[in-house]
Amino acid sequence: ETGVTQTPRHLVMGMTNKKSLKCEQHLGHNAMYWYKQSAKKPLELMFVYSLEERVENNSVPSRFSPECPNSSHLFLHLHTLQPEDSALYLCASSLRRGGYNEQFFGPGTRLTVL
Amino acid sequence: AQSVSQHNHHVILSEAASLELGCNYSYGGTVNLFWYVQYPGQHLQLLLKYFSGDPLVKGIKGFEAEFIKSKFSFNLRKPSVQWSDTAEYFCAVNMGNDMRFGAGTRLTVKP
Repeated sequence: ETGVTQTPRHLVMGMTNKKSLKCEQHLGHNAMYWYKQSAKKPLELMFVYSLEERVENNSVPSRFSPECPNSSHLFLHLHTLQPEDSALYLCASSLRRGGYNEQFFGPGTRLTVL
Repeated sequence: AQSVSQHNHHVILSEAASLELGCNYSYGGTVNLFWYVQYPGQHLQLLLKYFSGDPLVKGIKGFEAEFIKSKFSFNLRKPSVQWSDTAEYFCAVNMGNDMRFGAGTRLTVKP
């Protein structure tokens, strides 16, 4: 148990659906991250929140919309996705952003877009 | 461009063989280095990390890694692998505020 939980673990959605991914950390961390993991590719950093403020958005399409209501919760709202968005979406947290702060990962949400 | 390269995509070894997985990065500033492991069906977890001091760091399960600054490398080693080491291994480098990951190396250990 890493202290970072994600729900749902699996999600199948059509291109016109709206869904949300949820991440929760119980580690008292101040930074949270969304990553996209695709086969044979480096983890792609999507969004970074530090002290509940979005500090990075790596040119992610607007069909992905993050929300961080407090330091323990992070959401990724999905809207009109494309089949190429199918991947494992990982949430992570760290005490602070960058430096020597290791990131703790959740189990991920396996997303399939039909 | 800042990047992390793992040159081996898939490594297959027999039990008791020695392991070395390569990791190189491109960044001119101060770095903090990590190796993560992802066992089948499990989440990414930290194997070891380097911040400063002795460039040879030891992690869990008998793994170690050596930071060679002049080569921008942080290779992972284990003298004798076990079947239970079958997993995907990711090198990660904190460059300033951003952690960048390599594409991962899949290790298969045959019993």
